[in-house]
Amino acid sequence: EPEVTQTPSHQVTQMGQEVILRCVPISNHLYFYWYRQILGQKVEFLVSFYNNEISEKSEIFDDQFSVERPDGSNFTLKIRSTKLEDSAMYFCASSEWLSDGYTFGSGTRLTVV
Amino acid sequence: RKEVEQDPGPFNVPEGATVAFNCTYSNSASQSFFWYRQDCRKEPKLLMSVYSSGNEDGRFTAQLNRASQYISLLIRDSKLSDSATYLCVVLKSGAGSYQLTFGKGTKLSVIP
Repeated sequence: EPEVTQTPSHQVTQMGQEVILRCVPISNHLYFYWYRQILGQKVEFLVSFYNNEISEKSEIFDDQFSVERPDGSNFTLKIRSTKLEDSAMYFCASSEWLSDGYTFGSGTRLTVV
Repeated sequence: RKEVEQDPGPFNVPEGATVAFNCTYSNSASQSFFWYRQDCRKEPKLLMSVYSSGNEDGRFTAQLNRASQYISLLIRDSKLSDSATYLCVVLKSGAGSYQLTFGKGTKLSVIP
């Protein structure tokens, strides 16, 4: 079964540092997403990406966040200057069509200290 | 009203029991509906889509009532492996927006 792959599985970083979270979506999928889940809370939308540009972003996705598809397979989320409250599980997801259920990656647990 | 609201749980049921989860959503323009399951510290995994006509997949039955903005999931003959958090998920749509909105989830523990 095709998978969405995320690396690293766990990242610990100091407050103020930049982090890049990496994802390889399913190869024939056209829509890519980042979601996050703070421990004990619900999964929250960050951003969607289609045709090499952001199609939608939430209020959480401020100027500290950016996404990129640097080549034909990778999809990255960058947090420029991490804050303690950025500590969460970050999930990448992809879908073939907009109205489909998504396939999520196994997540990157980001801990900001 | 919260965008997607679920029974808070937790539900502790014996093996073999039937258990039902309920969910309501606030955006009447929502187009697609799903149940996901999430194991502890893992990613959400799509369990099933939910259609107005109702749909069944083995021991799982999902129902949608658009008039009441209500979604349900029924699990029959519960197994130990069904223990997880069940997430009600709505595809929020309108004005070019297509994002999944998650409920907080209902935790199910199936006890031997």
